[in-house]
Amino acid sequence: DAGVIQSPRHEVTEMGQEVTLRCKPISGHDYLFWYRQTMMRGLELLIYFNNNVPIDDSGMPEDRFSAKMPNASFSTLKIQPSEPRDSAVYFCASTTSGRGSYEQYFGPGTRLTVT
Amino acid sequence: GESVGLHLPTLSVQEGDNSIINCAYSNSASDYFIWYKQESGKGPQFIIDIRSNMDKRQGQRVTVLLNKTVKHLSLQIAATQPGDSAVYFCAEGMNSGYSTLTFGKGTMLLVSP
Repeated sequence: DAGVIQSPRHEVTEMGQEVTLRCKPISGHDYLFWYRQTMMRGLELLIYFNNNVPIDDSGMPEDRFSAKMPNASFSTLKIQPSEPRDSAVYFCASTTSGRGSYEQYFGPGTRLTVT
Repeated sequence: GESVGLHLPTLSVQEGDNSIINCAYSNSASDYFIWYKQESGKGPQFIIDIRSNMDKRQGQRVTVLLNKTVKHLSLQIAATQPGDSAVYFCAEGMNSGYSTLTFGKGTMLLVSP
């Protein structure tokens, strides 16, 4: 199993530009999570999906952030327009409700730098 | 690594020592707990979990202890190795139906050879 795949691994962009982060969850997993990690705030849940449907987006900072999951094998997190304070590492994680465990499997993350 | 915080608690140990990392959780209704390990430049990796109907669970070289009375969780690592150096996070959730996990701020473990 390849695990959770994220791309790009690193993204450097200028303030005001649109940024799209991509995630491929583990095959068969029905939950997908987007997290943001910063030095000051730690690991924060942004949004999560169940069976491709957004369940809770209360962690999304503001309207500049949006997330989609068009199918079971792909999700995107978009920031438009990006700002320097969006600089962070963004993780995608997935899990399945059928294992009796709530362990989430994390991808390697995308390090976003907005200048 | 990206996960290091300016004020991240740090535990420094010698190789071969036993390590104990502590975590205070916030929600008395939480009944499921996980420990994650995050190495520099990587995503968090599952170590061990425990449900609230248990007070101890053992894995390979690791033991998790749960004290629900004081809402405290600990991770014990036996015979700590340099490869154990990482940031360790506890996370809490609720077992009734599916819920999200709430992560703690993390503790950095530094193991000297």
